[in-house]
Amino acid sequence: NAGVTQTPKFQVLKTGQSMTLQCAQDMNHEYMSWYRQDPGMGLRLIHYSVGAGITDQGEVPNGYNVSRSTTEDFPLRLLSAAPSQTSVYFCASYLRGGEAFFGQGTRLTVV
Amino acid sequence: SQKIEQNSEALNIQEGKTATLTCNYTNYSPAYLQWYRQDPGRGPVFLLLIRENEKEKRKERLKVTFDTTLKQSLFHITASQPADSATYLCALGVTGGGNKLTFGTGTQLKVEL
Repeated sequence: NAGVTQTPKFQVLKTGQSMTLQCAQDMNHEYMSWYRQDPGMGLRLIHYSVGAGITDQGEVPNGYNVSRSTTEDFPLRLLSAAPSQTSVYFCASYLRGGEAFFGQGTRLTVV
Repeated sequence: SQKIEQNSEALNIQEGKTATLTCNYTNYSPAYLQWYRQDPGRGPVFLLLIRENEKEKRKERLKVTFDTTLKQSLFHITASQPADSATYLCALGVTGGGNKLTFGTGTQLKVEL
C-alpha cells in the first residue's frame, strides 16, 4: 500500500515557468488537499477537493490551479512561478472526519 | 478572524518528564481536533483525534484533552524520550464546507537526556 505519493521531491524553477506537482493516493479517499509550509507559518491550505470533479479554494489559492478528474489523482499547477511560491508543498488525503495521510512533500525553489 | 495558535517557542524538557503542548483556537466550531507529529523533511503523521463531544483521549503515552468552552486542546506525552523530539501540529476539522483540515503553526519539542 503506497498511501500518498508526491512527485517530484525537489524542483527548481525560473520565475515565470509553469509546472505541475503530482499527487496520487491509493486508499480510495474522497477528500484531498494541497498545503504549503513555510517557516513559522505552519501548513496553509491552497486548494482542496471533496471528490472527483469537485474542487474549492483554501486560504492561499492565488497562483495555483487544481483539478480532480479521478479519485486517485489531484495535481497542483503553478501557472507562472514566482519567488513567493518557494515553499514545501504537501498533498494529503483523508476520509470525512478521519486522519489525514500526507505525501513526503515537494521542495520547490523559484529563482 | 479565525486563528489556531500553538506556542511558537520550542519546548525543551528532560527525558522522563511529561511534555504538555497547547492548541488554542478562536472563531472556529470544530467537530473534531487532531494532533500530528512532523519530523524534519517529512510529512506530518497522525497521532490522535478527539471529537467535540469527548473530553479526553489516550493512546499509550499520549493523552489529549479538548475543552470547547475554553477553545483549547492540551496534548501530553508522558515519560518523554529523546525519540519524541519533533514538531507537533494540531488541526481542526469542521464538518460541512468541504471538511477542511486547518492546521496550527506547530510547536517544536526537544527532549534532552
